[in-house]
Amino acid sequence: LAKTTQPISMDSYEGQEVNITCSHNNIATNDYITWYQQFPSQGPRFIIQGYKTKVTNEVASLFIPADRKSSTLSLPRVSLSDTAVYYCLVVTALSGGYNKLIFGAGTRLAVHP
Amino acid sequence: DAGITQSPRHKVTETGTPVTLRCHQTENHRYMYWYRQDPGHGLRLIHYSYGVKDTDKGEVSDGYSVSRSKTEDFLLTLESATSSQTSVYFCAISAGAGEQPQHFGDGTRLSIL
Repeated sequence: LAKTTQPISMDSYEGQEVNITCSHNNIATNDYITWYQQFPSQGPRFIIQGYKTKVTNEVASLFIPADRKSSTLSLPRVSLSDTAVYYCLVVTALSGGYNKLIFGAGTRLAVHP
Repeated sequence: DAGITQSPRHKVTETGTPVTLRCHQTENHRYMYWYRQDPGHGLRLIHYSYGVKDTDKGEVSDGYSVSRSKTEDFLLTLESATSSQTSVYFCAISAGAGEQPQHFGDGTRLSIL
């Protein structure tokens, strides 16, 4: 199962765009990339997922190059409430039908005034 | 947010006592999961269910049992709690495998003295 590597922490300021890059060199053909956000004392919250190229929703964009060995989560114009831990996961659908999620340490994003 | 309710939200108990945590969903999703989150380990899968009365082990299942008698409820039981089971426990649900993301509850903080 593909392991991910992402920065331990990042700092930003309100109103800036934040890009968090995740590497997943041994991603398999059928794997896809998922990002979660977690606030203290809450469960992880699904942000976005994709297989290749670019995916955009109301809160973030996900850029995946053609080789799929990395991905970048882009948060436009962050606010203080975006301070959280962000997890990049490579998801493999296993026999039995469930998706195995492997959470790493995540990236601790701190947004400053 | 996904309709997931975990109870209790906090519990303190003593070593050797039985403990049952409940996860209740209102989404009618097929898959339900129990994870534990510990510093330095991220989230790890304990057990999962792919239907009523259908369950299987995750990566850290020793000392835990589960039951699912109804679609909406997934119970996690520690038959004889140990201090190593002090953790934050998260329930998750998903509609299916493949590209269906898992959605998490807000967790139960369990302390075993």
